[in-house]
Amino acid sequence: GAVVSQHPSRVICKSGTSVKIECRSLDFQATTMFWYRQFPKQSLMLMATSNEGSKATYEQGVEKDKFLINHASLTLSTLTVTSAHPEDSSFYICSVAGEYNQPQHFGDGTRLSIL
Amino acid sequence: EDQVTQSPEALRLQEGESSSLNCSYTVSGLRGLFWYRQDPGKGPEFLFTLYSAGEEKEKERLKATLTKKESFLHITAPKPEDSATYLCAVQASGGAQKLVFGQGTRLTINP
Repeated sequence: GAVVSQHPSRVICKSGTSVKIECRSLDFQATTMFWYRQFPKQSLMLMATSNEGSKATYEQGVEKDKFLINHASLTLSTLTVTSAHPEDSSFYICSVAGEYNQPQHFGDGTRLSIL
Repeated sequence: EDQVTQSPEALRLQEGESSSLNCSYTVSGLRGLFWYRQDPGKGPEFLFTLYSAGEEKEKERLKATLTKKESFLHITAPKPEDSATYLCAVQASGGAQKLVFGQGTRLTINP
């Protein structure tokens, strides 16, 4: 399966800061990547689908102006949390979609803590 | 709306004590059902894909089965290293590749 690298693994910053998270597909050219958010002891909730060369598709209730997604190449998607506040503190995970019917492979996540 | 419900929420077993985890789903046409393992502070690790009712997949002490309404993850003679959260997800047919996840089952195997 695809090898996915996510960076940074942990971020602690002050309220009002913007934070960028990178997701790289190391061995697979990914036209589609996904961004999830996971709160403690809860499951993964899809935030958006990142499409290479076009605009991301956001799930209902996710603010596109707050969570900026850029997928400029087949190996890199970035999620920027703009003007982050404590309620944005969470575990953010990206995944790479393989071929039709194939499983998604996930990065190791980014723990974001906003003080 | 596609939904996935996993039970139990948490399960404690003794080493060697076999059991099963349940994943019930409703989906508008199943493209695939996926099982993942997630360790604390890590992303999910892929285990199995099941595509149609009656299908079974096995890997070491784990065996996944699928019916039209639910999937089971059977764990035989588990070891402490099998302790993790097990996630079930479905992918609906009809275009998008997105997954809908269940809440997971936190499995603890005591030595």
